[in-house]
Amino acid sequence: GQNIDQPTEMTATEGAIVQINCTYQTSGFNGLFWYQQHAGEAPTFLSYNVLDGLEEKGRFSSFLSRSKGYSYLLLKELQMKDSASYLCAVMDSNYQLIWGAGTKLIIKP
Amino acid sequence: DAMVIQNPRYQVTQFGKPVTLSCSQTLNHNVMYWYQQKSSQAPKLLFHYYDKDFNNEADTPDNFQSRRPNTSFCFLDIRSPGLGDAAMYLCATSRDLAGGPDTQYFGPGTRLTVL
Repeated sequence: GQNIDQPTEMTATEGAIVQINCTYQTSGFNGLFWYQQHAGEAPTFLSYNVLDGLEEKGRFSSFLSRSKGYSYLLLKELQMKDSASYLCAVMDSNYQLIWGAGTKLIIKP
Repeated sequence: DAMVIQNPRYQVTQFGKPVTLSCSQTLNHNVMYWYQQKSSQAPKLLFHYYDKDFNNEADTPDNFQSRRPNTSFCFLDIRSPGLGDAAMYLCATSRDLAGGPDTQYFGPGTRLTVL
């Protein structure tokens, strides 16, 4: 079967750095996505990785290792508004998005 | 602004009473998706349309139906809602089925409550 694993919940302090990990096992690979979802709202796109390495976009960076089936999302200079769930999703060989259950990130002052 | 719009944002229905959720898009995308998401769970794909071609996920209950009368609109019909169907329903669009950045754009969702 296909599955995406990520921690259920993480806590971090305002101004700090946090790394959210994602491991995946899918039938084929056509890219990995990170989405941010605030409570009661729709997911919004954060990043996309299809090649190995680090993609940086402002305070957010995403890393991919296809050989290890592993990605992480790195959030720097955390702000209270970053409190949200972060969903990892992989596009499989049928171009279907396989979703993780999300990591709830709690930011404390 | 180009966007994905869902109406209503909150819907309350009674057990067994049919309900329709709507989604519209101004992106002129070929693909429209309906997801069901329950609290603290991953979004679950119910079905998608590629243009007029309907694709149902194997485990989507028959209670869920969809219509896409034109490129811009897509509807989710729940024929006989049960308590277990209470969830957030997300509509998303993509230009094509192929992968790539920004591949799916989501609407704000409709939160369905079943009494």
